[in-house]
Amino acid sequence: AQTVTQSQPEMSVQEAETVTLSCTYDTSENNYYLFWYKQPPSRQMILVIRQEAYKQQNATENRFSVNFQKAAKSFSLKISDSQLGDTAMYFCALGSPGNQFYFGTGTSLTVIP
Amino acid sequence: NAGVTQTPKFRVLKTGQSMTLLCAQDMNHEYMYWYRQDPGMGLRLIHYSVGEGTTAKGEVPDGYNVSRLKKQNFLLGLESAAPSQTSVYFCASTPRLGLFNEQFFGPGTRLTVL
Repeated sequence: AQTVTQSQPEMSVQEAETVTLSCTYDTSENNYYLFWYKQPPSRQMILVIRQEAYKQQNATENRFSVNFQKAAKSFSLKISDSQLGDTAMYFCALGSPGNQFYFGTGTSLTVIP
Repeated sequence: NAGVTQTPKFRVLKTGQSMTLLCAQDMNHEYMYWYRQDPGMGLRLIHYSVGEGTTAKGEVPDGYNVSRLKKQNFLLGLESAAPSQTSVYFCASTPRLGLFNEQFFGPGTRLTVL
């Protein structure tokens, strides 16, 4: 079975500071991919960053980066220089062969001015 | 390109009523999905389709039916709505089978069943 766990229901960070959101997963697949999606109050799901499991190098997209620990099945998201527009719900997701996707329960992030 | 669109954006039903949610995508994607999002539970897969004319059950299919008569459309039906189906519903699509496919989401439909 594929599962994704986000153990931090809510987090807050001061503007311009750095915050890390945690995600662990479980899968028996060798080839898979991992995603972080952002859901602002508008409800629209927006892809933040993705990581291929066979790549050891951590993905980076501007202020967003991941710490991918394959052996530990951990996939955390680091947001640097937090901005007010980063306030949103963040979902970690696991994509498996066959285009099946599994989502965590989300972390609500608030950026404090 | 409009991407993934959903109709309607909001709906209020009474228990026992029926309705159909429409999802449309203009990206020629093969795979389409219906999720429901409830507080504290993330997104749960209701049904999905791997191509025109095909459908399959997801994690929480009971009380819902789907159809994919055209490649670009994926319909979600509630035959007899129940308060437990109050939720936000998201449609998503991905290109044909392959690794590293991200999902493209619609804007969601907020459904309230009284």
